[in-house]
Amino acid sequence: DTAVSQTPKYLVTQMGNDKSIKCEQNLGHDTMYWYKQDSKKFLKIMFSYNNKELIINETVPNRFSPKSPDKAHLNLHINSLELGDSAVYFCASSQEPPSPREQYFGPGTRLTVT
Amino acid sequence: GENVEQHPSTLSVQEGDSAVIKCTYSDSASNYFPWYKQELGKRPQLIIDIRSNVGEKKDQRIAVTLNKTAKHFSLHITETQPEDSAVYFCAAGEGQGAQKLVFGQGTRLTINP
Repeated sequence: DTAVSQTPKYLVTQMGNDKSIKCEQNLGHDTMYWYKQDSKKFLKIMFSYNNKELIINETVPNRFSPKSPDKAHLNLHINSLELGDSAVYFCASSQEPPSPREQYFGPGTRLTVT
Repeated sequence: GENVEQHPSTLSVQEGDSAVIKCTYSDSASNYFPWYKQELGKRPQLIIDIRSNVGEKKDQRIAVTLNKTAKHFSLHITETQPEDSAVYFCAAGEGQGAQKLVFGQGTRLTINP
């Protein structure tokens, strides 16, 4: 009965590699997000998709590319990984506007780049 | 763009006492202010939220107040318990669905038994 799930939970890789993180939600939500939480716990939005359409694209290096094959899935692909990409990446989802709605977070993926 | 400042960064209180965390925001267009709790190694989870047309909201031991004129909002936890120990984040959301949330830096709350 997991609401928002992510795989993998941990990811250790070397600089220069390419990796993907997958996210799925079974809440029937229309909007999904990717957040980055750095070592100081700062939580910052990266991308948001609504019904497979990109609606928020913050200042993120173009090495990061989100993909939404359907409204229940939002994946994050990262090319040419750098040390500074080490962080916990959270996927989240929420209902369609018009009213502000709670964002449900996934368990997070801890990415370590060596 | 929106900027959210949160204070204090760490807070330690005795069990049973109250804890207050304060946030300020910069964008007057922001209309939604949630608070998330993140326990160690876990995901952030919503504990309470308030919309810009409301000044105060309470849910058992937790309350949030909003001052739109001053652009600040606060989280109040009364009768604190050890399980309240966590990192708390305030956020401000703008737009019709407030989908873009800008988070504060977080407050690590420790409840001492």
